[in-house]
Amino acid sequence: GAVVSQHPSRVICKSGTSVKIECRSLDFQATTMFWYRQFPKQSLMLMATSNEGSKATYEQGVEKDKFLINHASLTLSTLTVTSAHPEDSSFYICSARDWGSRGLYKNIQYFGAGTRLSVL
Amino acid sequence: GENVEQHPSTLSVQEGDSAVIKCTYSDSASNYFPWYKQELGKRPQLIIDIRSNVGEKKDQRIAVTLNKTAKHFSLHITETQPEDSAVYFCAASRDSSASKIIFGSGTRLSIRP
Repeated sequence: GAVVSQHPSRVICKSGTSVKIECRSLDFQATTMFWYRQFPKQSLMLMATSNEGSKATYEQGVEKDKFLINHASLTLSTLTVTSAHPEDSSFYICSARDWGSRGLYKNIQYFGAGTRLSVL
Repeated sequence: GENVEQHPSTLSVQEGDSAVIKCTYSDSASNYFPWYKQELGKRPQLIIDIRSNVGEKKDQRIAVTLNKTAKHFSLHITETQPEDSAVYFCAASRDSSASKIIFGSGTRLSIRP
């Protein structure tokens, strides 16, 4: 299957600092990537949809100035958690949509391995 | 807004028995329904998907059924094995490049030896 790389896998930072998380599609072009937040033993909560070359679409309740998303190329989207606080501590996971470029399937999301953010 | 409900939240079955997870969706325009498996500490992996032009799809021990009229879809795992233990998520989406995928709340499946 397709590979999506997410980096870093874990980050610990001080309150007030900013953290950047990268999501790369390694063997396909992804015009659309998604950013999720997952709390322990809970589902994937969609934060925003990242579209290559345009502004991200944020879900209701997600602060766009807090969670900056950039999708500058067809293989890379970044999520920056600005001025992080302890309540931002969570597991952040990205996915990239493979649309019609692989065999019989289309509209398949491949997930990154996730980033565990701990804000002290 | 769009919503996907998933039941049960936890499921424990004896090894070798079958497991069934059910989902309902609210957006009648949804036509793509993937299922993901997430093992502890790992990324969600697509295990099977179904589109609205078919009512059932099978891949070895797993099968999905879809009832578009009732807006229900289900995952069936037969002859369960210990490695089936994981969290399973259903999801619904419109089959377009601009659409997002809405996930259910997940089912934690445990296989008893």
